[in-house]
Amino acid sequence: AQSVTQLDSQVPVFEEAPVELRCNYSSSVSVYLFWYVQYPNQGLQLLLKYLSGSTLVKGINGFEAEFNKSQTSFHLRKPSVHISDTAEYFCAVSYGGATNKLIFGTGTLLAVQP
Amino acid sequence: DGGITQSPKYLFRKEGQNVTLSCEQNLNHDAMYWYRQDPGQGLRLIYYSQIVNDFQKGDIAEGYSVSREKKESFPLTVTSAQKNPTAFYLCASSIGLAATDTQYFGPGTRLTVL
Repeated sequence: AQSVTQLDSQVPVFEEAPVELRCNYSSSVSVYLFWYVQYPNQGLQLLLKYLSGSTLVKGINGFEAEFNKSQTSFHLRKPSVHISDTAEYFCAVSYGGATNKLIFGTGTLLAVQP
Repeated sequence: DGGITQSPKYLFRKEGQNVTLSCEQNLNHDAMYWYRQDPGQGLRLIYYSQIVNDFQKGDIAEGYSVSREKKESFPLTVTSAQKNPTAFYLCASSIGLAATDTQYFGPGTRLTVL
């Protein structure tokens, strides 16, 4: 079955430290990968996406992610986090087909501490 | 400003009552979606629509109904048949149903059944 795994439900980190949020997906011939951020009681905002081409994708707010096909991963990174980055982060995968169905991970709460 | 609006932001309902959540977009997108979000879980697809007067069930359609009479509007009705309706509901839209079409989300409606 197609699935997305975010193993870390919560990641505590100090301000200005680097962070990596992990995302793994079940293997498929073609995948399209997305990271969304959700602030409390708000909708989801697109951070970045991988559709094709360069495996290193840069997004908004200084975030980047690397598509690794052999490890079926799409980890999100930021070299230096701010308090304002505290939010829930969701990895999502589209496996193609006729419905543009997104399969979401369970989310990772990034908790930035001063 | 182009975007997706959802109303109301908070909604309270008594058991046994139907309730309708509004979703409007002015992005000129053809495809629209409804998701449900529960604590500690990813988003789950309820219904989606590719064009006016056409919609399809997602993974958890039981107890919900939708209509798509206008391109810009995709209301969701939570019926009394939905056993556990308390959740955060998110509407999204995309240009089309291609796997590469990014989904953009509204701010959400939090439904609480009393």
